[in-house]
Amino acid sequence: QKEVEQDPGPLSVPEGAIVSLNCTYSNSAFQYFMWYRQYSRKGPELLMYTYSSGNKEDGRFTAQVDKSSKYISLFIRDSQPSDSATYLCAMSGSNFGNEKLTFGTGTRLTIIP
Amino acid sequence: DAGVTQSPTHLIKTRGQHVTLRCSPISGHKSVSWYQQVLGQGPQFIFQYYEKEERGRGNFPDRFSARQFPNYSSELNVNALLLGDSALYLCASSLFRSWSSYEQYFGPGTRLTVT
Repeated sequence: QKEVEQDPGPLSVPEGAIVSLNCTYSNSAFQYFMWYRQYSRKGPELLMYTYSSGNKEDGRFTAQVDKSSKYISLFIRDSQPSDSATYLCAMSGSNFGNEKLTFGTGTRLTIIP
Repeated sequence: DAGVTQSPTHLIKTRGQHVTLRCSPISGHKSVSWYQQVLGQGPQFIFQYYEKEERGRGNFPDRFSARQFPNYSSELNVNALLLGDSALYLCASSLFRSWSSYEQYFGPGTRLTVT
């Protein structure tokens, strides 16, 4: 069993819809949770990072962490065609700044105009 | 700032050969990490260097090695290449000031093909 599980999709939604992306994990030592966006043939781009359980909002993006369920989510409101990309979750159990991140496989998202 | 740069962009090598990949971090960033991304998978952590010291190592064989130079640029070396080493190799530079002030940027990667 992988430490981090992420549905690879593909996921297609109409423009303007709310997108929900999720990851589950098995390692209870994970404390820091990140979401990345990766366009085709590009490196990942850090979107958001959170610590422990709770919510964090940044513009159209909201990250949620539920440590009791070992479940994290990224919500995208008012989705745009430019949001079409692969979304990766990642997590770490070490001190923040230590970059031994464990990534999910990524979910490929397409926003249909 | 030019962002994180990696060279070369693409590389084709033969099994058994050696390869050196290079990374230049964003100015002011002292931490460089290397990741391997196989097609259809998430990146897998290989190394982290901070202030020229190895801070972390992933589950990769000793054929993989890295170093960081005084200007914080970094090299990843892979010896005795195997077909399974074919992947996108990503470099990330980061700056951690506090929990609320953290920057991390990935480079575009080096695509390595081993034949």
